[in-house]
Amino acid sequence: GENVEQHPSTLSVQEGDSAVIKCTYSDSASNYFPWYKQELGKRPQLIIDIRSNVGEKKDQRIAVTLNKTAKHFSLHITETQPEDSAVYFCAASIGKAAGNKLTFGGGTRVLVKP
Amino acid sequence: NAGVTQTPKFRVLKTGQSMTLLCAQDMNHEYMYWYRQDPGMGLRLIHYSVGEGTTAKGEVPDGYNVSRLKKQNFLLGLESAAPSQTSVYFCASSSHGGGSETQYFGPGTRLLVL
Repeated sequence: GENVEQHPSTLSVQEGDSAVIKCTYSDSASNYFPWYKQELGKRPQLIIDIRSNVGEKKDQRIAVTLNKTAKHFSLHITETQPEDSAVYFCAASIGKAAGNKLTFGGGTRVLVKP
Repeated sequence: NAGVTQTPKFRVLKTGQSMTLLCAQDMNHEYMYWYRQDPGMGLRLIHYSVGEGTTAKGEVPDGYNVSRLKKQNFLLGLESAAPSQTSVYFCASSSHGGGSETQYFGPGTRLLVL
């Protein structure tokens, strides 16, 4: 089955700096790659996603890039703010053929220092 | 529109006791999922359902059973709880339409097995 690895496990940045989280996946049939943000004690919430027919997607300070050949995708957060402190999870899915199941990475705890 | 709700929010069980966790969604989603999240780890899929009356095993199904008698509800049962099942349980749902893979999560159920 699909295996998703996520690095780093923790990331500390100064407010205003950029943060980058990287994930690799094993199943070349994966075609949907969401990123979730989870604040302490809360539910995971989707912040951005990308499909395999797109190489990059941006939404304000957040961007995701996908390299299908290398089977890796990354989350980029620019101009980080204290409210960006949370745990971020990447995931991969082969879509409807497998019930839209998601395989999650292990998470990255991001701390933005003021 | 409440989205995805879970009951109970928190429960303490003794080893060997049984319980049922309830997930309900009001978005008319076909697909529903149960995950567990252990400290410092990502989410792992326990069971999922692609429609009313259907269930399938995920990554970590042992010790759990599920039922989807109504489209809007997905029940997770623990027949004989073990300390290893201490975790936070999240339910999620998604649509089955093309391009609608986003999973929406419930607030979670925190379970402690003594």
